[in-house]
Amino acid sequence: KNEVEQSPQNLTAQEGEFITINCSYSVGISALHWLQQHPGGGIVSLFMLSSGKKKHGRLIATINIQEKHSSLHITASHPRDSAVYICAVHSGGGATNKLIFGTGTLLAVQP
Amino acid sequence: ETGVTQSPTHLIKTRGQQVTLRCSSQSGHNTVSWYQQALGQGPQFIFQYYREEENGRGNFPPRFSGLQFPNYSSELNVNALELDDSALYLCASSLGGLAGGVQYFGPGTRLTVT
Repeated sequence: KNEVEQSPQNLTAQEGEFITINCSYSVGISALHWLQQHPGGGIVSLFMLSSGKKKHGRLIATINIQEKHSSLHITASHPRDSAVYICAVHSGGGATNKLIFGTGTLLAVQP
Repeated sequence: ETGVTQSPTHLIKTRGQQVTLRCSSQSGHNTVSWYQQALGQGPQFIFQYYREEENGRGNFPPRFSGLQFPNYSSELNVNALELDDSALYLCASSLGGLAGGVQYFGPGTRLTVT
């Protein structure tokens, strides 16, 4: 079992729909990142959070430390949101510092 | 544009050779992390450098090594290349360590080992 699990693995939505991508983890963390990767490789960091909720434009990220779960929401989805969304957690400290990645969620938003 | 640059963009090497990949951090960032992304898979954390010292490592063998320079630019060195080392290598810079802030990714170096 992976230490960081994302669901769903693939998601197809119609333009305008509200989208939720989930991330669950089984290790202790100090921070969680949501990343966006477009075809061709470029990765953009969307959020880094360690508690509560953050919002940026149409994107909202929440984290529940007790439940070891985070969600990424996209409101009023648009075809340009089509990308792979990756959850990554920062675990450990000092020499054991590491980032553990989920397998990603491939989102396709159709016009 | 994140201000993080990587060179070269593409590279083809032969099994057994050595390779050096370079990363220039965003101005003011003291932390650089390196990732390997095989085709169709998510990134894997290789290691992180914070203020010129390795400060965390993923499950990669010692033939993967790195350096961070006083200007916080960085190199990733891979010795004795294997076919499975073919991947996109990404670096990301940030301020204050892995949990210190948002990571800014470079465009990556595509390494092909034949």
